[in-house]
Amino acid sequence: EPEVTQTPSHQVTQMGQEVILRCVPISNHLYFYWYRQILGQKVEFLVSFYNNEISEKSEIFDDQFSVERPDGSNFTLKIRSTKLEDSAMYFCASTPGLEAFFGQGTRLTVV
Amino acid sequence: ELKVEQNPLFLSMQEGKNYTIYCNYSTTSDRLYWYRQDPGKSLESLFVLLSNGAVKQEGRLMASLDTKARLSTLHITAAVHDLSATYFCAGLGGGADGLTFGKGTHLIIQP
Repeated sequence: EPEVTQTPSHQVTQMGQEVILRCVPISNHLYFYWYRQILGQKVEFLVSFYNNEISEKSEIFDDQFSVERPDGSNFTLKIRSTKLEDSAMYFCASTPGLEAFFGQGTRLTVV
Repeated sequence: ELKVEQNPLFLSMQEGKNYTIYCNYSTTSDRLYWYRQDPGKSLESLFVLLSNGAVKQEGRLMASLDTKARLSTLHITAAVHDLSATYFCAGLGGGADGLTFGKGTHLIIQP
């Protein structure tokens, strides 16, 4: 069964460093998303991406964040200068239109 | 702006019992989703509810939607230990692309 895959599964980085989280959405899906979940808290929407551009972004998605679809399969989330409060699980999701399928997540730990 | 509230946030119950998780939302929601999350894992889609009066069932779980009351319920029948997880409801609406999640219901089913 097709699935959304994310790499790495766990990333530890120093505060102020840049990180890139990678996602391979399901191949025939058109909409892509990033969400984050701070440990023990609810899942929060970051950004949606459609037709090679950002469709919507939340208040969390400030200038430190960017997304790209560098080729036909990958979808990346870049955090330019990480802060301690960026530590969270980051989920990528894709959908053909109705049901969203989530990846396994990348646990980002900023130290 | 769509707000989603779940209750209870924590539920401990015995195997064989029935219980209901409630999800209230603040404004018109185009769709209502239920997800399951096991510790440290991703979000598994359970149900997508599209219209008033929609009812969906899978095994011991049944979800319903009342758009007039802005309420969705997830009913668990004759609970078994394997259903222990955190259950999230999420709405899509208010013109937003991304899902708005509730805080989740942490469900523990004791043998």
